Amino acid sequence: QSALTQPASVSGSPGQSITISCTGTSSDVGGYNYVSWYQQHPGKAPKLMIYEVSNRPSGVPDRFSGSKSGNTASLTISGLQAEDEADYYCSSYTSSSTYVFGTGTKVTVL
Amino acid sequence: EVQLVESGGGLVKPGGSLRLSCAASGFTFSSYSMNWVRQAPGKGLEWVSSISSSSSYIYYADSVKGRFTISRDNAKNSLYLQMNSLRAEDTAVYYCARKGWELPLGFDYWGQGTLVTVSS
Repeated sequence: QSALTQPASVSGSPGQSITISCTGTSSDVGGYNYVSWYQQHPGKAPKLMIYEVSNRPSGVPDRFSGSKSGNTASLTISGLQAEDEADYYCSSYTSSSTYVFGTGTKVTVL
Repeated sequence: EVQLVESGGGLVKPGGSLRLSCAASGFTFSSYSMNWVRQAPGKGLEWVSSISSSSSYIYYADSVKGRFTISRDNAKNSLYLQMNSLRAEDTAVYYCARKGWELPLGFDYWGQGTLVTVSS
């Protein structure tokens, strides 16, 4: 199972919006609405930010939103803040009943 | 409060074995599927294995199939990963993560991780 494809880095100024893409195949992202997104600060454990493509867990700011079209899922951060600077990973359930993560995207707040 | 605490990591020689544990608290452990996810130094996340609440369904990544064994003890609220025939490429921080829903919607809680280093 190959990793889902994400851009290596995305940057934006405070207050701006950025979008991170996550491209898979019809056997994972395109086949199920089981895409999730995780935020990871250096030296910390990942934190769930979005589940089931577009749902936010309790406590996650509504600046974070998710969507999906075909084999590509996206995470949008609106009103970018300094504390949003972190690595972000997408993940999808697969047709083999396994999971696959994305390659990861480093978000930099300029 | 949900807590997942991994232990058992350390330095092991290539070809050696190690058993990781994950102690769960703050929720009904026996009701949730659990997973192991690893992260090599400076690299991305890699899903390793999953086990259903009653251990009926177990899955592995191709990279560890035949070498790693996931198990759980619901009476002890614990998850395990037996790692055999370890290779240098298994060097990583290993996280246990809870699948938060009956459907595979995402991993809602993660432990702090335990570092496994495979080196001679």
